[in-house]
Amino acid sequence: EAGVAQSPRYKIIEKRQSVAFWCNPISGHATLYWYQQILGQGPKLLIQFQNNGVVDDSQLPKDRFSAERLKGVDSTLKIQPAKLEDSAVYLCASSLGFGQQETQYFGPGTRLLVL
Amino acid sequence: AQSVTQPDIHITVSEGASLELRCNYSYGATPYLFWYVQSPGQGLQLLLKYFSGDTLVQGIKGFEAEFKRSQSSFNLRKPSVHWSDAAEYFCAVGLYSSASKIIFGSGTRLSIRP
Repeated sequence: EAGVAQSPRYKIIEKRQSVAFWCNPISGHATLYWYQQILGQGPKLLIQFQNNGVVDDSQLPKDRFSAERLKGVDSTLKIQPAKLEDSAVYLCASSLGFGQQETQYFGPGTRLLVL
Repeated sequence: AQSVTQPDIHITVSEGASLELRCNYSYGATPYLFWYVQSPGQGLQLLLKYFSGDTLVQGIKGFEAEFKRSQSSFNLRKPSVHWSDAAEYFCAVGLYSSASKIIFGSGTRLSIRP
């Protein structure tokens, strides 16, 4: 079974530029998560989708971050414009169903460096 | 606010020695509890989880964890570590105010001494 795919794996941009990350979850997984992991910290949930609807985006900085999951499959996370403090690893995860008991499967992440 | 604490930032143990990684949470009731491992360049992988029942939970790769309500702890253990266990370990807890959200601790980096 293929895992969660993410691209690109690395990205370096200058502040005020825009960047987009792509995630393809495990086939058949209804729930998709985007996490931000700053160096030395645990992952922090940015947004959670169930199918193509947003369940939780309370921690998403909506003035600069946006995400979509068209057709309830793959997803894109965008930052525009980027700030220095956005430097982090962006992790995508998916789970078969919805709920805290569901096992989340994580992709390898996209490492973003904002200069 | 609900929180999860991993008091040890970095631990070094000798190969073959036993391991215990600490995790404490703040929550009145029994939450869902998880341990994840993150190897360099890899995504997080679930080691084990606890929802209810037997307080000693067995996971993958020879790991186990024990839920202790009186201490609000969910420590991870392994009787004999291997060099391949070197990684970052994260404890996580289900957020009581959300049906689906979990929050992660800040992690413990494990190094293995040959």
